[in-house]
Amino acid sequence: KAGVTQTPRYLIKTRGQQVTLSCSPISGHRSVSWYQQTPGQGLQFLFEYFSETQRNKGNFPGRFSGRQFSNSRSEMNVSTLELGDSALYLCASSPNTGGNWNTIYFGEGSWLTVV
Amino acid sequence: KQEVTQIPAALSVPEGENLVLNCSFTDSAIYNLQWFRQDPGKGLTSLLLIQSSQREQTSGRLNASLDKSSGRSTLYIAASQPGDSATYLCAVLGAGNMLTFGGGTRLMVKP
Repeated sequence: KAGVTQTPRYLIKTRGQQVTLSCSPISGHRSVSWYQQTPGQGLQFLFEYFSETQRNKGNFPGRFSGRQFSNSRSEMNVSTLELGDSALYLCASSPNTGGNWNTIYFGEGSWLTVV
Repeated sequence: KQEVTQIPAALSVPEGENLVLNCSFTDSAIYNLQWFRQDPGKGLTSLLLIQSSQREQTSGRLNASLDKSSGRSTLYIAASQPGDSATYLCAVLGAGNMLTFGGGTRLMVKP
């Protein structure tokens, strides 16, 4: 069974540009979450989608947005990039069916550098 | 607001030692606790998951315990090996399927 797949793995952008990152969850998983990892702040929750609906959002500015498609694949977008957005962006998926709180699986991440 | 703390932040041990990593959290209203491993430049690998109703879980040389009432978890690694060198992260699952992470323990096992 394929794991969580994130693309692209590495990218460099210029301040003011926007970026879109993609995530394909494990087959059958309907919950997709996004996290930002930086040396200073550690791992922080961005948002979570389930069946194309955003269920929860972390404390990030509106420049950070996401969506989920009917096949559970998800994208996150960051507009008007700032130097501080340089980070490892991790996608995670879980079945999250009913009230059964399952193991959450992470992808390898997308390394974003803003120059 | 949930806060998760991991102690120690870094640990260096000789090969073969048994070691304990600590995790504490401030809000006991959690669904589960997960321990992850992260190698440099990589994503997170799930090691163990303990449901809130459980006390411990074991996988090979790893054993994790959970005391929800006191807000503590420990990860016990038996007979450490150089391949265990990595950062270990503890995370609690709260409302909204959101994980709150600790800062991690960076482990170095020397041959």
